[in-house]
Amino acid sequence: EVQLAQSGAEVKKPGESLKISCMASGYPFTKYWIGWVRQVPGKGLEWMGIIDPGDSDTRYSPSFQGQVTFSADRAISTAYLQWSSLKASDAAIYYCARTDPFVAGRPFDLWGQGTLVAVSS
Amino acid sequence: DVQMTQSPSTLSASVGDRVTITCRASQSLGNWLAWYQQKPGKAPNLLIYRASSLESGVPSRFSGSGSGTEFTLTINSLQPDDFATYYCQQYNTYSGTFGPGTKVEIK
Repeated sequence: EVQLAQSGAEVKKPGESLKISCMASGYPFTKYWIGWVRQVPGKGLEWMGIIDPGDSDTRYSPSFQGQVTFSADRAISTAYLQWSSLKASDAAIYYCARTDPFVAGRPFDLWGQGTLVAVSS
Repeated sequence: DVQMTQSPSTLSASVGDRVTITCRASQSLGNWLAWYQQKPGKAPNLLIYRASSLESGVPSRFSGSGSGTEFTLTINSLQPDDFATYYCQQYNTYSGTFGPGTKVEIK
């Protein structure tokens, strides 16, 4: 089955670090880019950026540049979203999604189930 | 950055109605525009890509049109399963911006 499976919910304190994951299965991992999307509960979708798992080329939204880090491990078909120091304003649901913008012109056509990140002192 | 707007923000409609949602971009997108449906507690689901191409498995009552800076999503004969929030998204090779969303409610 073609799917993206994300890691479970996290509860963290401000200032803590965090790395959440997105494991792909059922398709060639390096054929598609992986994107990350933030959604504060009850609010809209925010495009954070994308990463090419093949060579770790990344494109960050200006709003998230320097605030988060994308990475990928081809050996285990897994993409990661990382924070070095969480803020209360990072509390949200984070989705990973597959995209092929360069070759096929495809937007996010496969989504993970989302990871809820809670940040509270 | 490309800015996206959607109208209306909320839409009340009945089963069987024809519904149209408009998305506008601050600069020309060509046809690099997608539409998603999101239901509460679920991830978004791709409906339309390249402004007017129907994603596989999506019912044909959904259609998209437009190019440049103005786009529309039309739902013909609204079904109970269609009450949800709809987002447009511009996507090009290096960026992507979502519209603020349109909630389709039961009248």
